[in-house]
Amino acid sequence: EIVLTQSPGTLSLSPGERATLSCRASQSVSSSFLAWYQQKPGQAPRLLIYGASSRATGIPDRFSGSGSGTDFTLTISRLEPEDFAVYYCQQYGSSSWTFGQGTKVEIK
Amino acid sequence: QVQLVESGGGVVQPGRSLRLSCAASGFSFSTNGMHWVRQAPGKGLEWVGLIWYDGSNKNYADSVKGRFTISRDNSKNTLYLQMNSLRAEDTAVYYCVVQQLVLDYWGQGTLVTVSS
Repeated sequence: EIVLTQSPGTLSLSPGERATLSCRASQSVSSSFLAWYQQKPGQAPRLLIYGASSRATGIPDRFSGSGSGTDFTLTISRLEPEDFAVYYCQQYGSSSWTFGQGTKVEIK
Repeated sequence: QVQLVESGGGVVQPGRSLRLSCAASGFSFSTNGMHWVRQAPGKGLEWVGLIWYDGSNKNYADSVKGRFTISRDNSKNTLYLQMNSLRAEDTAVYYCVVQQLVLDYWGQGTLVTVSS
């Protein structure tokens, strides 16, 4: 099973700042089968990024994903008030899909 | 508009069984893989398992393998999760999710509480 480790656990930033979230895999994620999700309190998760770098439908271009192999990054170029949430990475390159433990982006 | 409505959650004693349902609409249910994902209170997301569009293949997380069974009825646009031998650690919100690219659309979830 591929284990995903996200860092940092919590990111304290102000609106307008840049957020950089990391996701590291215990082994190579094949064909960049890596996705990112956003979850706000009391809501279901929402797909942001798939294939490591492709934005899902309706996702603003301030969200971008990059990386390959075992190291992946989600970048939010300028934080909007609605972006403060928990973010999860997830791999789907094997028969067992797994999530990282999440990074909380909170208002500083 | 994709809609996924889970039902069947509730309080159940350890060792007992429960079946969750997910009614799907707004997309071609019979041509999409479906997943269950759960989230324990205050915790992160845990993938439970998937079923192919035609039910011919299923995969499960190790934590539920042998206890949980995913099935679907394409004539009713409904996904199921049969949960047997429930444990306290199975307490979670269970989400039904449709796979078009990855985990594209999520229901609002149903809460399962395993407690005596």
